[in-house]
Amino acid sequence: AQKVTQAQTEISVVEKEDVTLDCVYETRDTTYYLFWYKQPPSGELVFLIRRNSFDEQNEISGRYSWNFQKSTSSFNFTITASQVVDSAVYFCALSRNPNTGNQFYFGTGTSLTVIP
Amino acid sequence: DGGITQSPKYLFRKEGQNVTLSCEQNLNHDAMYWYRQDPGQGLRLIYYSQIVNDFQKGDIAEGYSVSREKKESFPLTVTSAQKNPTAFYLCASSPTGRSYEQYFGPGTRLTVT
Repeated sequence: AQKVTQAQTEISVVEKEDVTLDCVYETRDTTYYLFWYKQPPSGELVFLIRRNSFDEQNEISGRYSWNFQKSTSSFNFTITASQVVDSAVYFCALSRNPNTGNQFYFGTGTSLTVIP
Repeated sequence: DGGITQSPKYLFRKEGQNVTLSCEQNLNHDAMYWYRQDPGQGLRLIYYSQIVNDFQKGDIAEGYSVSREKKESFPLTVTSAQKNPTAFYLCASSPTGRSYEQYFGPGTRLTVT
């Protein structure tokens, strides 16, 4: 069975602090995809990143960085020098190989509040 | 502009009434999906369709129905059989064979009183 766990329900940080959002996943598939989405108060899901299971290279995009570690089944997301605009709910998700299944499996989300 | 539209943004209904949520896409995607989101929870799959005139139940299909008569449209009906219909509903679509590439609509917030 596939499962995504985001143990942090809510996080509050002061502006300019760094913050890491944790994501742990479970799957027996060898091919899968991991995602992070941002959901601002408007509700729309904003795609941030997709990684496939064969690419463990960490990625940096501006103030955002992602640490993918298959050994610990984790795909953590770090925001450096947080800003008020980063306040949102962040979802980690897992998708299977399209030949196996079409469904996304979402974590329960982490609500981030950046205090000015 | 290519994308997914869901209307309306907010929908209010009385208990016992069926209500249909609209989802339209002009991305030429074959696959479409409906998800439900409750406060403090992630998205859960209601129904999905990989091709016109075909659809499959997701994890929480009870109390919902869908149709897929056109490639561009995948309406979701929330029936009176759905015990807790108040939720945020998100529609998504993906290209054939690339279900890992789902594009999400802006969502419809349904409130049933």
